[in-house]
Amino acid sequence: AQKVTQAQTEISVVEKEDVTLDCVYETRDTTYYLFWYKQPPSGELVFLIRRNSFDEQNEISGRYSWNFQKSTSSFNFTITASQVVDSAVYFCALSDNDKIIFGKGTRLHILP
Amino acid sequence: NAGVTQTPKFQVLKTGQSMTLQCAQDMNHNSMYWYRQDPGMGLRLIYYSASEGTTDKGEVPNGYNVSRLNKREFSLRLESAAPSQTSVYFCASSESGNSNQPQHFGDGTRLSIL
Repeated sequence: AQKVTQAQTEISVVEKEDVTLDCVYETRDTTYYLFWYKQPPSGELVFLIRRNSFDEQNEISGRYSWNFQKSTSSFNFTITASQVVDSAVYFCALSDNDKIIFGKGTRLHILP
Repeated sequence: NAGVTQTPKFQVLKTGQSMTLQCAQDMNHNSMYWYRQDPGMGLRLIYYSASEGTTDKGEVPNGYNVSRLNKREFSLRLESAAPSQTSVYFCASSESGNSNQPQHFGDGTRLSIL
C-alpha cells in the first residue's frame, strides 16, 4: 500500500541553523511523484516542489534543497540558514493513482 | 488571481444540523478534492472528483456527500453533523486527474460541531 512517513513530528532549531526534514515513502508503482507542501501559521497550504521517480537529481531553490534517494525510498528536505519565516508545518506527499496521499507533517519551529 | 475559493471560512453548528461547504476554482482545472485536517493526522482525503461528472470516495467519506456542480464548483455536504466532524476542511484542485500534478488549495473552512 502507498504510504508516506514523516517520523519527525516536531523540530525546533535556532535561526541560521540548517535543518533537514525526513520523508520516507512506500509505493508499489514504478512511476510515481513526490511533493512537498508548506503550511505556515496562517493556515494555507503552499506547493513547494514536485519530483518524478525517474529524476534523482537533487534540487536546490535558494535556501531550500531536496534529496531524492530511490534506494532508500526517501525524499528529504533541507533548509539552509533557517529563518523565522520558515516556521511552518511541512507535508511530504506521494502520488497514488488519481490522487495524492500526504504524510502527517512535521512542525518546524525556528527560534530567534 | 482568486485560485481556489472556499466559503464559509468559519462555521459553528449544532449536532444534527446540516451544512454545505462551497468550493470554486478559476484555473480551469479538471480535478477537485476535499480534505479534512485534524491535529496529528495530516490531511485526509474525503472525496474527490477526477473530472466533471465523476466523484469518488477517499479515505474518510462516511458522513459526507459531494456534488461536482460544474467544472468550477465542488461542494461538500454534511447531512447530520457530528462532533467528530469538527475539523479544518480544505478544498483543492489540480489540472488533471493524473496524480503527477500539484494540487492548489483554498484557505480552508474551520468547522466546529457542538
